[in-house]
Amino acid sequence: EDQVTQSPEALRLQEGESSSLNCSYTVSGLRGLFWYRQDPGKGPEFLFTLYSAGEEKEKERLKATLTKKESFLHITAPKPEDSATYLCAVASGGSYIPTFGRGTSLIVHP
Amino acid sequence: GAVVSQHPSRVICKSGTSVKIECRSLDFQATTMFWYRQFPKQSLMLMATSNEGSKATYEQGVEKDKFLINHASLTLSTLTVTSAHPEDSSFYICSARGAGGLSTGELFFGEGSRLTVL
Repeated sequence: EDQVTQSPEALRLQEGESSSLNCSYTVSGLRGLFWYRQDPGKGPEFLFTLYSAGEEKEKERLKATLTKKESFLHITAPKPEDSATYLCAVASGGSYIPTFGRGTSLIVHP
Repeated sequence: GAVVSQHPSRVICKSGTSVKIECRSLDFQATTMFWYRQFPKQSLMLMATSNEGSKATYEQGVEKDKFLINHASLTLSTLTVTSAHPEDSSFYICSARGAGGLSTGELFFGEGSRLTVL
């Protein structure tokens, strides 16, 4: 059974204070690791897909990296508008149905 | 591209009534749609997977007679909560995966529907 653990559960940063969110996973045959952003009362918004260890992807202030056991979402010089819950999910096997972690709630103070 | 629309965004109903939530893929054909339930500060819990033209596959513990799912076309899936009770109050989110996503697993989510049963 696929397992996804995200840490920390909550993170408070000052504007401009860079940090990283962690997603540790256990899966048999990784097909893809996904990062989503979810604002309160909204559905998740797709950010990245990573397929293999060593892969990196960037989007504005966000950079996702992947190893064989975990993924990091690096946030560089965050702004208050980056405040949201960030969800990590993994898909394996033939069905590609993602298993989600509980998310990291990020608050960026101005 | 890859826009998923969910309606209604909020619904309040009386106990014992039924509520229907619609999920539409606006700019692509969704071969597979997923319905999730999310409690506060919890992860997304997969309820069921539906493929167009076939019966939905429900996750263990999800009552198929209570949560009716219909995926009649490649752009529309509906979730009907039958005889709703206060414990069914939750945030329901649909997601869709197009044919191209079969090899990637990427899902695109609707805006979610907040159900409150009085």
